[in-house]
Amino acid sequence: KAGVTQTPRYLIKTRGQQVTLSCSPISGHRSVSWYQQTPGQGLQFLFEYFSETQRNKGNFPGRFSGRQFSNSRSEMNVSTLELGDSALYLCASTSGGGSQETQYFGPGTRLLVL
Amino acid sequence: GDSVTQMEGPVTLSEEAFLTINCTYTATGYPSLFWYVQYPGEGLQLLLKATKADDKGSNKGFEATYRKETTSFHLEKGSVQVSDSAVYFCALSVSGSARQLTFGSGTQLTVLP
Repeated sequence: KAGVTQTPRYLIKTRGQQVTLSCSPISGHRSVSWYQQTPGQGLQFLFEYFSETQRNKGNFPGRFSGRQFSNSRSEMNVSTLELGDSALYLCASTSGGGSQETQYFGPGTRLLVL
Repeated sequence: GDSVTQMEGPVTLSEEAFLTINCTYTATGYPSLFWYVQYPGEGLQLLLKATKADDKGSNKGFEATYRKETTSFHLEKGSVQVSDSAVYFCALSVSGSARQLTFGSGTQLTVLP
């Protein structure tokens, strides 16, 4: 089975712009979660989508949004970029149910905001 | 809220040395516990997991035992290799919400030949 794929792998933007990142989960996985990784804050949960619905959201401003399509692919969008949004954005899809649930991560999209 | 505390790094060991990376947690429910590894320039890879007290997760020579009485999930390996050099993250999920992981700060491991 192919793993979680994320595109693009690298991105450079300037302050004030917006960006869209894409994630394709492992085939058959319906849940997609997004995380931000920075040296200062570590790994922080952004949001989770299941069957095209956002089910959980972390403590991030409204500039961060996402969506999920009927084929389970997900996108996240960051509007009005700030320098502090520079980070590695990781997507994960979930297998199993209940206590057996396990997240599998993609390689990430590294965003640099100048 | 839920939290994970990991041993401060970085950790530097010689090849074939014994490794322990400490991890303790605070959770309101009965969490599942995970260790993930991140190699330079890559995403996170699941190393091992345990879903209930006294479970032992193991993979590639790494082991961790879910200790409810000490709220710990320490990672161990008997003989590290240079290829084990990476950042290791301890994480938890409260039952039924593994889609929202809470991570520790990560421990950088460097193994010297």
